Amino acid sequence: AQKVTQAQTEISVVEKEDVTLDCVYETRDTTYYLFWYKQPPSGELVFLIRRNSFDEQNEISGRYSWNFQKSTSSFNFTITASQVVDSAVYFCALSEAYTGANSKLTFGKGITLSVRP
Amino acid sequence: DSGVTQTPKHLITATGQRVTLRCSPRSGDLSVYWYQQSLDQGLQFLIQYYNGEERAKGNILERFSAQQFPDLHSELNLSSLELGDSALYFCASSVGEAGTYEQYFGPGTRLTVT
Repeated sequence: AQKVTQAQTEISVVEKEDVTLDCVYETRDTTYYLFWYKQPPSGELVFLIRRNSFDEQNEISGRYSWNFQKSTSSFNFTITASQVVDSAVYFCALSEAYTGANSKLTFGKGITLSVRP
Repeated sequence: DSGVTQTPKHLITATGQRVTLRCSPRSGDLSVYWYQQSLDQGLQFLIQYYNGEERAKGNILERFSAQQFPDLHSELNLSSLELGDSALYFCASSVGEAGTYEQYFGPGTRLTVT
């Protein structure tokens, strides 16, 4: 069975601080995909990144970076120089590569990030 | 804008009633997923359709049903509504049916059952 754990529930930082959001996952499959989504106060879910289980290279996109470590089953997300617009709920999610019920996204509980001016 | 549309944006109805939520996937996407987001359960997968056929079911109640039409839009029908059905319902679409592909979410329909 798939499981995603986001142990941090709420994080509050001051603008320009760096912040790391943790994600730990469980799966029995060797082929799987990890995702991060952002849910701003307006409510929509915005896709941020997809990473497959065979690619452990870290990825950087502007102020965002992701660290994938299979050895610790973690897929952490760092925001550098945070901004007020980064305030949102962030979800980590997992899917397995196969079709059927395993293709669904299993989400963590989400981390509420508040960035204060 | 993800390209996925959902209507209506808000829905307020009474217990025992039936409602229909509508979703249009992104152009070119064949797969549609429905998710429910509630405070106590978080984001939960309900059901998936691919090119008109049901592919997978999650924790979907028997009172709920869905379908995907030939034009690929999908509808989620919720009947005999209870207070606990109040939630944000998301539709997501992806190009394929496997977990390989990223899912793009619509803006959601907020259902309030009174």
